[in-house]
Amino acid sequence: EADIYQTPRYLVIGTGKKITLECSQTMGHDKMYWYQQDPGMELHLIHYSYGVNSTEKGDLSSESTVSRIRTEHFPLTLESARPSHTSQYLCASSNQETQYFGPGTRLLVL
Amino acid sequence: KNQVEQSPQSLIILEGKNCTLQCNYTVSPFSNLRWYKQDTGRGPVSLTIMTFSENTKSNGRYTATLDADTKQSSLHITASQLSDSASYICVVRQGGYNKLIFGAGTRLAVHP
Repeated sequence: EADIYQTPRYLVIGTGKKITLECSQTMGHDKMYWYQQDPGMELHLIHYSYGVNSTEKGDLSSESTVSRIRTEHFPLTLESARPSHTSQYLCASSNQETQYFGPGTRLLVL
Repeated sequence: KNQVEQSPQSLIILEGKNCTLQCNYTVSPFSNLRWYKQDTGRGPVSLTIMTFSENTKSNGRYTATLDADTKQSSLHITASQLSDSASYICVVRQGGYNKLIFGAGTRLAVHP
C-alpha cells in the first residue's frame, strides 16, 4: 500500500468558490503529479513537479494551479470553481520506476 | 501520434472464468509498459511492468505479455474472483521524454 494521501475524498461545492485539494506523500519522492479523470475515460496529466519549487503544466490545459513548497506536499487550487471542473482528481508520486497513486478526490461543482 | 488503445471497453465474466484484455500502442520510442488495476473510486495500483526485452510477466493470477514488434500487450486473468471487478489500465512510458501515455481502460465486471 503506497503512502500517498488525498483530502477531501469527496467535495460538493457551488460555482465561484475557491477550493484546494490536498495531496501528501511520506515516501520522500521528488516527483509528484496531478491527473484529471472523467468517468470511464483515461487519465490526463494536468500538473507535475520534479522537486521543491518546481512546477510544470501537463498535457491537458487546466485552470487550476499547484505549489510545491515542501517535498511531501503538492496541493492543487481552483480559484473559482465551475461546473466544468467536475471530475476526479488523482495525485501521484514516483520513484525512478513506479508511480503511486492516491485514492483521488471526486469533485462536483454545482 | 502517441496513443494507447485498449479493448474491449468493458467485459462481464462469471466468477472462476479466465479473460484476456488487450492493449495496442503506437508510442515511440518505447520505454516500458505497465498494467494498472483501478477499483471504483480509488487510484490505480500497479500490477506489472514490462520492458522491451520481456515477453511475459506474472503477478499471481495476472499474466501480462508483450510483443514489442507488433506493439501489443495483453493481460490475462486466471480463475477470476469477484474482487477482480475493476478497470484495468494500460500505460506506456515514452522513452526519452519520461512521459506516460494512458489507455482509457477496460472495465471488468465479475459476476457470481
